[in-house]
Amino acid sequence: SAVISQKPSRDICQRGTSLTIQCQVDSQVTMMFWYRQQPGQSLTLIATANQGSEATYESGFVIDKFPISRPNLTFSTLTVSNMSPEDSSIYLCSVEDRAEAFFGQGTRLTVV
Amino acid sequence: GQNIDQPTEMTATEGAIVQINCTYQTSGFNGLFWYQQHAGEAPTFLSYNVLDGLEEKGRFSSFLSRSKGYSYLLLKELQMKDSASYLCAVKNTGGFKTIFGAGTRLFVKA
Repeated sequence: SAVISQKPSRDICQRGTSLTIQCQVDSQVTMMFWYRQQPGQSLTLIATANQGSEATYESGFVIDKFPISRPNLTFSTLTVSNMSPEDSSIYLCSVEDRAEAFFGQGTRLTVV
Repeated sequence: GQNIDQPTEMTATEGAIVQINCTYQTSGFNGLFWYQQHAGEAPTFLSYNVLDGLEEKGRFSSFLSRSKGYSYLLLKELQMKDSASYLCAVKNTGGFKTIFGAGTRLFVKA
């Protein structure tokens, strides 16, 4: 199994600012996934982050809004840029080990 | 297109059995997962099916029929702590992505 440390756990941010979310994994993994979960809804994949290459973004998500870094096999960051109230959500990072997905604790973001 | 359907909400009684159904249409299939998510927490893994049939793990069982694009999660001897959302998810064969259903909120009452 994989253990993921995600921070911050929550934040309240002013619109127009940016927030960077960090995920640290206790083992080396090839792919890390970033999800968004809006209130009462399921997880929506934002992008897949591979070490040494640009992240692959899903339809509706762009690099300028959600830049991702993946400097090594145990760490990744997701930045939510130029935030608006519509970005208020829970953001989760995830890795997979033998087909099972493991999630960070999530970052509850409120944009005011 | 890709679509995963599961009921929005279900209610069951403590000690009873409940079955949560999931149907899917995805571009390729590389396994179906069930996750449990308590309010305010991250999802946790419950089960994984890649072949047809029933997988049993304690009070939880999961069934898969690939030809029908259908799965169910069976919870036995329900406990109050089983009140949570249950997410059906399918991994496709394209980019190793996992696609999540909207989740079924289960309420267990005394």
